[in-house]
Amino acid sequence: NAGVMQNPRHLVRRRGQEARLRCSPMKGHSHVYWYRQLPEEGLKFMVYLQKENIIDESGMPKERFSAEFPKEGPSILRIQQVVRGDSAAYFCASSSNVGVMNTEAFFGQGTRLTVV
Amino acid sequence: SQQGEEDPQALSIQEGENATMNCSYKTSINNLQWYRQNSGRGLVHLILIRSNEREKHSGRLRVTLDTSKKSSSLLITASRAADTASYFCATDALGGGGADGLTFGKGTHLIIQP
Repeated sequence: NAGVMQNPRHLVRRRGQEARLRCSPMKGHSHVYWYRQLPEEGLKFMVYLQKENIIDESGMPKERFSAEFPKEGPSILRIQQVVRGDSAAYFCASSSNVGVMNTEAFFGQGTRLTVV
Repeated sequence: SQQGEEDPQALSIQEGENATMNCSYKTSINNLQWYRQNSGRGLVHLILIRSNEREKHSGRLRVTLDTSKKSSSLLITASRAADTASYFCATDALGGGGADGLTFGKGTHLIIQP
């Protein structure tokens, strides 16, 4: 049973290009969370999605960032026209249930985005 | 044990009591972080302690770090019902930096009884 899979592990983009980060949740999980970690800082929540729905995007920057979790396939975090400040590690987590105390959140290994 | 493993897995205490959670890890780290996850919400960053620090406070939270034992503890004083949540520690491995080094434990489920 594979864990949360993120790819690519490392992504280099030039300023102005688009970055697409993928997250395949654990089998059977329908809830996905995206987080961003800037150097020497903690994780910051970005967005929470269920299949085909954005539940909470309160942590998403207003422009250039979008996320989706289609019925089939991985969740995608898309960053358009990247800037140097977007350089960070982006983590995805998935869980099976919401509102159940014993639910664990399983994390992927992250994608390190470097904008040059 | 796994990197960033919390102990205990579940903890139930009375409101007003103190709650202590522990985290053990294996590799050398840049920093260790504690997070809280309320039911149905994303992670909330609580506190980050660097490898050269031994103790850090934030409100009712107190975090200690013992790099010789590769362990950390999170103390919540005067607990409240709103503290009911899962608490995770995460380690940022030395030389890793983000995607290469951040590893989460499975969490401690804390229940505060009114």
